[in-house]
Amino acid sequence: GDSVTQMEGPVTLSEEAFLTINCTYTATGYPSLFWYVQYPGEGLQLLLKATKADDKGSNKGFEATYRKETTSFHLEKGSVQVSDSAVYFCALSVYNTDKLIFGTGTRLQVFP
Amino acid sequence: DVKVTQSSRYLVKRTGEKVFLECVQDMDHENMFWYRQDPGLGLRLIYFSYDVKMKEKGDIPEGYSVSREKKERFSLILESASTNQTSMYLCASMTGLADFTGELFFGEGSRLTVL
Repeated sequence: GDSVTQMEGPVTLSEEAFLTINCTYTATGYPSLFWYVQYPGEGLQLLLKATKADDKGSNKGFEATYRKETTSFHLEKGSVQVSDSAVYFCALSVYNTDKLIFGTGTRLQVFP
Repeated sequence: DVKVTQSSRYLVKRTGEKVFLECVQDMDHENMFWYRQDPGLGLRLIYFSYDVKMKEKGDIPEGYSVSREKKERFSLILESASTNQTSMYLCASMTGLADFTGELFFGEGSRLTVL
């Protein structure tokens, strides 16, 4: 079945460091791919998405490119801030349904 | 501002009690979902509903039931709570398949502890 695998955390970085959080997927059909973010004490919210191969999603300085050849959707940011500390979830849409499948989440901690 | 509201942020219940978790959305969304969130396991889908009075089992429906009598409200019911149902429960809503965007709108969560 469809699944999402993302790197285990926590990821600990200093402010202004470069961030990569890896995400790979297994899916039938043509899924859309998503990154959601959960700030402390809040529900999840959509960070960015890509709907087809080679699309790049971007928001708030974060980027991710839909790579069909490597079945990956890695999240990157060039310079993280303390306010980026959160849990990040990679997700995919199950083809032709309204369902999303989430990865296990990666906690990011950014220190000043 | 769009909103998904969960009735209780924190609940403590005893084993065997019946538990109701309520969720209301104000976006006129067709789809509503209940997930549970556990460390190391991420989000797991319990049930979802794509229309009033319609429901579909997710990946872990055992021990849960749901009710959707009105479009804006989706309730999760634990008929007889057990300690392994201690978790964070997240409600979410989304537009229907015809207007699919993949954007789920989440509530803030209900942290349930079963003693």
